Amino acid sequence: EIVLTQSPGTLSLSPGERATLFCGASQGVSSNSLAWYQQKPGQAPRLLIYSVSNRATGTPDRFSGSGSGTDFTLTISRLEPEDFAVYYCQQYGGSPEVTFGQGTRLEIK
Amino acid sequence: EVKLVESGGGLVQPGGSLRLSCAASGFTFNTYWMHWVRQAPGKGLVWVSRISVDGSSTTYAESVKGRFTVSRDNAKNTLYLQMNSLRVEDTAVYYCGRPVATGDIDYWGQGTLVTVSS
Repeated sequence: EIVLTQSPGTLSLSPGERATLFCGASQGVSSNSLAWYQQKPGQAPRLLIYSVSNRATGTPDRFSGSGSGTDFTLTISRLEPEDFAVYYCQQYGGSPEVTFGQGTRLEIK
Repeated sequence: EVKLVESGGGLVQPGGSLRLSCAASGFTFNTYWMHWVRQAPGKGLVWVSRISVDGSSTTYAESVKGRFTVSRDNAKNTLYLQMNSLRVEDTAVYYCGRPVATGDIDYWGQGTLVTVSS
């Protein structure tokens, strides 16, 4: 089973700052099958990034994804007030089919 | 407009059963794999199950294997999750989701709450 570990657990930053979120996989993620989601309280998750670095429809270009193999990063270049939320990484190419990381909470400092 | 609407959640005793439904509209349902994902109160996302476009291939998380069954009715544009032998730890909001391609879910329902308690 591919286990995804996200760090940090909580990230405290101010609007305008740069955020870097990490996702580590216990084994290589095949076919770049790695996505990032944003979730706000009381809402369903929202797909931000798929296939490591492709922005989903409607994702602002301040969000970018990178990485390969076992190490992946979500970067938010300049935080807006609406970006404070919980972020999850997800792999969908391994065994079991799909796993999520435990999440990173991005909070206002 | 793509729309996914879950229903069927509620309160059930341990050992009981529930069937969740997910009504899909706004896209060609029979050309997409579909997923179920759950989220316990205050916790993270956990993938539950996936089904192929024609229902011939299904996969499950180990925690639900043998107890949950995913199915679909393409004529009714509806996805199902039959949940048997429910446990307290199955308590969660259950979401259905449609992927971009395979597992990257770009459309989600609003979720339906399942509470397993005596």
